[in-house]
Amino acid sequence: DIVMTQSPDSLAVSLGERATINCKSSQSVLNSSNNKNYLSWYQQKPGQSPKLLIYWASTRESGVPDRFRGSGSGTDFTLTIDSLQAEDVAVYYCQQYYSTPYTFGQGTKLEIK
Amino acid sequence: QVQLVQSGAEVKDPGASVKISCEASGYTFTSYDINWVRQATGQGLEWVGWINPHSDNTGYAQKFQGRVIMTRNNSINTVYMELRRLRSEDTAVYYCARGPGYCTSTSCEYSGMDVWGQGTTVTVSS
Repeated sequence: DIVMTQSPDSLAVSLGERATINCKSSQSVLNSSNNKNYLSWYQQKPGQSPKLLIYWASTRESGVPDRFRGSGSGTDFTLTIDSLQAEDVAVYYCQQYYSTPYTFGQGTKLEIK
Repeated sequence: QVQLVQSGAEVKDPGASVKISCEASGYTFTSYDINWVRQATGQGLEWVGWINPHSDNTGYAQKFQGRVIMTRNNSINTVYMELRRLRSEDTAVYYCARGPGYCTSTSCEYSGMDVWGQGTTVTVSS
């Protein structure tokens, strides 16, 4: 199984500042046949279902604000939230869908400082 | 609109079975995989398995092998997850989610789980 490890476990950032969440996979999730990383990011607010933010490591899902950016390749990935808004308070998860089981990171709780 | 609607909350005794449904609407049901993901209170997301409604292929996480069965009824655009021999550790919210696989008649693409059900709370308690 591919193990996904996020850092940090929690993060407090001031409104308008940048938040950075890291995700590392135990093996590469880069599909060499199409050069796409099979890595997605989800946002989960309290009492809600997860919401897809980013797929292929850096492609924003339709309707997701452009302050959310995904980057990285292979085994190391980053979710960056530029100019943090109050509504961004949530738990963020990375997930690999390169191979089953489609494993998630343990989650990063983002709060306002 | 595209949506997945799940069945209601369940309370079960240890050792019993539970069967949850997930009804899809707003898209071609057989074009996308459906996954099941669970979340215990205050915990992270745990992938349970997937089903392809077109082929009926399934895949389960090793820890659920032998206890979980995923099925589908294409006439009513619904997938089901049955979990047997329930124990207290199975108490969780269970979500169905569309993706990451999407297939046309000629090719498949994998791009994340883009639509989620509202969740079904399963409580296992005597």
